[in-house]
Amino acid sequence: QKEVEQDPGPLSVPEGAIVSLNCTYSNSAFQYFMWYRQYSRKGPELLMYTYSSGNKEDGRFTAQVDKSSKYISLFIRDSQPSDSATYLCAMKSPGNTPLVFGKGTRLSVIA
Amino acid sequence: KAGVTQTPRYLIKTRGQQVTLSCSPISGHRSVSWYQQTPGQGLQFLFEYFSETQRNKGNFPGRFSGRQFSNSRSEMNVSTLELGDSALYLCASSLGLAGSRSYEQYFGPGTRLTVT
Repeated sequence: QKEVEQDPGPLSVPEGAIVSLNCTYSNSAFQYFMWYRQYSRKGPELLMYTYSSGNKEDGRFTAQVDKSSKYISLFIRDSQPSDSATYLCAMKSPGNTPLVFGKGTRLSVIA
Repeated sequence: KAGVTQTPRYLIKTRGQQVTLSCSPISGHRSVSWYQQTPGQGLQFLFEYFSETQRNKGNFPGRFSGRQFSNSRSEMNVSTLELGDSALYLCASSLGLAGSRSYEQYFGPGTRLTVT
């Protein structure tokens, strides 16, 4: 079992839809949970960060962490064609430990 | 502030050759991490350097190596290239200090390596 599992998609939605992206993980030591966005031919960029459990909202984006279920989600409201990208979840244990990434979900928002 | 730069952006090599990739981190960042990204395996951690010392290492064979210079610039080397080494190689920089936002990594655009 991989440490982080993420459905690769692709996921295609109409403009304005609510998008739900998810990851599960197996390592209970993970305390930091991130979502990165990667546009074609670019490196990933940090989109959202959550420490431990809970919700975090930033504009149209909401990140949720459920440590009891080892499950994290990213919701995108009022999705736009500019949201079309690959979304990667990433997790980290405390200390000088590396990030562990999911494989990424490719999202297409159709105008 | 200038972002993370990687050179070259594209590279074509032949099986058995070696290759060196370069990464310049954001000014003030002391940690540089390297990742391999492929469609099948996703983003996999290679190694991290902090203040010229390797701080973490992923599960890759010894053909993959790296180093960091006193100005925080980093290079990674792959010797005896195999077809399976074809991938996008990304480097990411962060402050790297204890208690800092080490989760916040800034990625370069990557080097696309094709091995024929």
